[in-house]
Amino acid sequence: RKEVEQDPGPFNVPEGATVAFNCTYSNSASQSFFWYRQDCRKEPKLLMSVYSSGNEDGRFTAQLNRASQYISLLIRDSKLSDSATYLCVVSRSGGSYIPTFGRGTSLIVHP
Amino acid sequence: ETGVTQTPRHLVMGMTNKKSLKCEQHLGHNAMYWYKQSAKKPLELMFVYNFKEQTENNSVPSRFSPECPNSSHLFLHLHTLQPEDSALYLCASSQDASEAFFGQGTRLTVV
Repeated sequence: RKEVEQDPGPFNVPEGATVAFNCTYSNSASQSFFWYRQDCRKEPKLLMSVYSSGNEDGRFTAQLNRASQYISLLIRDSKLSDSATYLCVVSRSGGSYIPTFGRGTSLIVHP
Repeated sequence: ETGVTQTPRHLVMGMTNKKSLKCEQHLGHNAMYWYKQSAKKPLELMFVYNFKEQTENNSVPSRFSPECPNSSHLFLHLHTLQPEDSALYLCASSQDASEAFFGQGTRLTVV
């Protein structure tokens, strides 16, 4: 089983739609959780951290369920500019903290 | 704009060449990472350095040789690479379990 699993998509949605991405992780000792965004041929950039209590930033909401080892990202009112690959990241400790990336979920928002 | 700087941005090298990739972080972080991203594949962790000590080598071939002279600088020395090593090489840094910040990457082509 991969450490971090995501549905690669693509998710093809119209502007204004609500879209949800899911991610599962295998290491129960994982300590930090993030969503990153990666545009084509660019480096990944932090979108938001994920906490058990939930985290909301404008149109984006992230949730963590430690019992199920499951992370989600909800995007409301999708914009064309939201088109990108969304990466689920789980940081485990192995002497040092090691960010492990899922393969990413591709989102295409169309007019 | 970015606290992590990578040079060069693009590199074309022959299979018999020796070259080095450089990464510098200006964020005071204690951990630095090398990742490889091949086309349409997820990010693969290569090496982890914590307080300039290597703490993880993810079964990377010996033709890739990392060097971390201090907490702010990380190198990846390349020699006798193969065409399948062509990829985007990303450097990142973090402070403990906090989010990782990426450089813009070096796009490497091996001919």
